[in-house]
Amino acid sequence: QQQVKQSPQSLIVQKGGISIINCAYENTAFDYFPWYQQFPGKGPALLIAIRPDVSEKKEGRFTISFNKSAKQFSLHIMDSQPGDSATYFCAASMRGSQGNLIFGKGTKLSVKP
Amino acid sequence: DVKVTQSSRYLVKRTGEKVFLECVQDMDHENMFWYRQDPGLGLRLIYFSYDVKMKEKGDIPEGYSVSREKKERFSLILESASTNQTSMYLCASSGQGRGYTFGSGTRLTVV
Repeated sequence: QQQVKQSPQSLIVQKGGISIINCAYENTAFDYFPWYQQFPGKGPALLIAIRPDVSEKKEGRFTISFNKSAKQFSLHIMDSQPGDSATYFCAASMRGSQGNLIFGKGTKLSVKP
Repeated sequence: DVKVTQSSRYLVKRTGEKVFLECVQDMDHENMFWYRQDPGLGLRLIYFSYDVKMKEKGDIPEGYSVSREKKERFSLILESASTNQTSMYLCASSGQGRGYTFGSGTRLTVV
């Protein structure tokens, strides 16, 4: 019940296309859902986050879509660029867990020129 | 910007050595975490700490210990390094905002 399941494991997208990464969870007590971006040789960095009181959050070309009833959330990268090539992790945490994030296993995105 | 600094980017140690990985954060965060990252396995939590001198086991604590004597510093200790501990080690910290800030990682090779 503590797991966050992420798919796909890897993704290849052409430049200009839309990249979509999906995550699913079971624990309805989760109330914070961030996405992290990790470039090779670097630590993950917070990209965008959402709370379950909204269904969508957009920051530039990055959008989180949240479906509370389905217990799913996804990251959409519009107009994908080669510079977006990285590993993306979804995560979830619940209030009272002192912020412990449960991470998905990651998606390696390659954007081809 | 919050900074989480890991003392070494690359380390090569011999089997059986005691290894210390150091992590320092500069934003007065209460929470600090140690993860290891391996291909296909994602981020696995080793230990975490909510306060000075406090520590909690994560998902894979075997073969590791930690120390938090000061709020800004969280050390990971490999008591007797083994080849299966070759990995990327990531330190992170978080405060009230719940987002994590990660360090750049230490790539440890045990030979």
